[in-house]
Amino acid sequence: AQSVSQHNHHVILSEAASLELGCNYSYGGTVNLFWYVQYPGQHLQLLLKYFSGDPLVKGIKGFEAEFIKSKFSFNLRKPSVQWSDTAEYFCAVNGGNTDKLIFGTGTRLQVFP
Amino acid sequence: DTAVSQTPKYLVTQMGNDKSIKCEQNLGHDTMYWYKQDSKKFLKIMFSYNNKELIINETVPNRFSPKSPDKAHLNLHINSLELGDSAVYFCASSQWLQASIYNEQFFGPGTRLTVL
Repeated sequence: AQSVSQHNHHVILSEAASLELGCNYSYGGTVNLFWYVQYPGQHLQLLLKYFSGDPLVKGIKGFEAEFIKSKFSFNLRKPSVQWSDTAEYFCAVNGGNTDKLIFGTGTRLQVFP
Repeated sequence: DTAVSQTPKYLVTQMGNDKSIKCEQNLGHDTMYWYKQDSKKFLKIMFSYNNKELIINETVPNRFSPKSPDKAHLNLHINSLELGDSAVYFCASSQWLQASIYNEQFFGPGTRLTVL
């Protein structure tokens, strides 16, 4: 069965610090990978996605993620965070002939000015 | 021109009541989903419908019954509400092209259900 692990449950940073949020998945076949963001009181929005091709994907708001197949990882990065990045971040995976999206438990990011 | 909309945004009700949450998408997608987000923010899929046909049913209690009158709508009816049903319920939609080709899901704003 597919599963997604996000090891950082709560991350606290100061503005301008660099960010890396971990995401590991378990699935042996071809996968599609996503990072969603949920700002306080809002719905989920797609930050970026990987389907195939270049394993380094760029998303909105300066975020990027790197798919490392050998490590089953899809970590999210941003070189310099802003206060407005305070939100919950969810990694998700879809694998096989299904439209089922499996989410990680989320990482709460707090950025202080 | 909201892409995926849900009503109501907030729902507070007593245990044992029956309630419905409505979802509509104007993206022309033919697949819709319901997710439950618990108090720890964990998101789990409940159902998916493709062209009004149930595709995924993730061992959800049969008190939960999704209904899709047409491919733009997927409503969630919950009977005999329990305290543990308190959560945020998100509707989503995507365009199902064919098996093994996946498209991103677009989420609605969520419905916060509180059962007292």
